Amino acid sequence: GESVGLHLPTLSVQEGDNSIINCAYSNSASDYFIWYKQESGKGPQFIIDIRSNMDKRQGQRVTVLLNKTVKHLSLQIAATQPGDSAVYFCAETNTGNQFYFGTGTSLTVIP
Amino acid sequence: EAGVAQSPRYKIIEKRQSVAFWCNPISGHATLYWYQQILGQGPKLLIQFQNNGVVDDSQLPKDRFSAERLKGVDSTLKIQPAKLEDSAVYLCASSQTVTSGYEQYFGPGTRLTVT
Repeated sequence: GESVGLHLPTLSVQEGDNSIINCAYSNSASDYFIWYKQESGKGPQFIIDIRSNMDKRQGQRVTVLLNKTVKHLSLQIAATQPGDSAVYFCAETNTGNQFYFGTGTSLTVIP
Repeated sequence: EAGVAQSPRYKIIEKRQSVAFWCNPISGHATLYWYQQILGQGPKLLIQFQNNGVVDDSQLPKDRFSAERLKGVDSTLKIQPAKLEDSAVYLCASSQTVTSGYEQYFGPGTRLTVT
């Protein structure tokens, strides 16, 4: 199977600071990447996605960066809030088939 | 818009027993996914349906797991017989088939404990 992994299992940040969550993937054929947020007891929630023909995509307070050369993906959260505390997963797929999720990074926002 | 519905939310069974999970996707979503999420891990795709056809079931343990999506709407996932290592949260998700992306909407999951 494919390998999608995260560099850090846990991350703690002060409220108001920016957060960066990293992800490494191994399948160079993957053409679509997604970041999900999962709160305790709930299913994952879509945050932002990016196609392999892009390097950067911005949403509301979030930015995803894709570096295909080193197969690296990152999620940047601006002005982190307590409500951002959750586990964040990256996922990859090739043309919408065979989705692979990473292990996850637990983000804790300190008030 | 109603979200993805799953039932039951919790289930406790003994090993070697059988169990079934039900999922009702968002109306109009052609693609349905079943994931297994073991505590502390990311979701692992078990099976993906496009309407009522199977797109991918490469990670489904077919000796004990089965899934169906009759009429291309609701789906059931069954485990028979269950093993201790099947203890996990089983997530159902659905998505529209669009060329712009593959955003999946997840249900709350069913937490299975096998004793």
